[in-house]
Amino acid sequence: DIVMTQSPLSLPVTPGEPASISCRSSQSLTRSSGYTYLDWYLQKPGQSPQLLIYLGSNRASGVPDRFSGSGSGTDFTLKISRVEAEDVGVYYCMQMQQSPRTFGQGTKVEIK
Amino acid sequence: QVQLQESGPGLVTPSETLSLTCTVSGASITGEYWSWIRQPPGKGLEWLAYINYSGTTSYNPSLNNRVTISLDTSKNQFSLKLTSVTAADTAVFYCARLRLMSSNPTYHAFDIWGQGTLVTVSS
Repeated sequence: DIVMTQSPLSLPVTPGEPASISCRSSQSLTRSSGYTYLDWYLQKPGQSPQLLIYLGSNRASGVPDRFSGSGSGTDFTLKISRVEAEDVGVYYCMQMQQSPRTFGQGTKVEIK
Repeated sequence: QVQLQESGPGLVTPSETLSLTCTVSGASITGEYWSWIRQPPGKGLEWLAYINYSGTTSYNPSLNNRVTISLDTSKNQFSLKLTSVTAADTAVFYCARLRLMSSNPTYHAFDIWGQGTLVTVSS
């Protein structure tokens, strides 16, 4: 199985400031086509996860443009350009490169 | 608006079979892929299985052949069965749609999730 490792596991943030979450995979998630088989999800407190980013850098419908995904190979980053209070929750990266699909352990984002 | 709703017993006895159903509204299950994902209390997410509109399935090998996913097109539902459960199977179970987000390349992502249902395995 592909192991997904996120850092940090906890991220205190200040509203209006940028934030960044790292995700590393044990195998490359970028295919010869150049596409990266990685998603980012946010699980807000008490809610189900919601899709933020797919194919490494594509925002899902309705996701604010302050969220961006980047990276290739085995190193990936989710960036929030200016954190808002509604962005708190646990962020997960997930690989779609091969079965079984596997998630990172999650990064808890909370307001300072 | 597509909605998914999980249903099933909240308590299952060890060694028995856990059975859950996901009812889909606002979309036909014959047009997409569908999946189950679980989250043990206070822990991360684990993908369990998916099924597509033609009945093709894929399972997480970590479940050691204990899991079965199926479609009921007449009721617009899909289901999960997990046999020989133990306390380690206690979790919130989510059903989710695996939507085709891109056709080139072909790429699916979990775009709609149910609210989740807690299943506790205990005697």
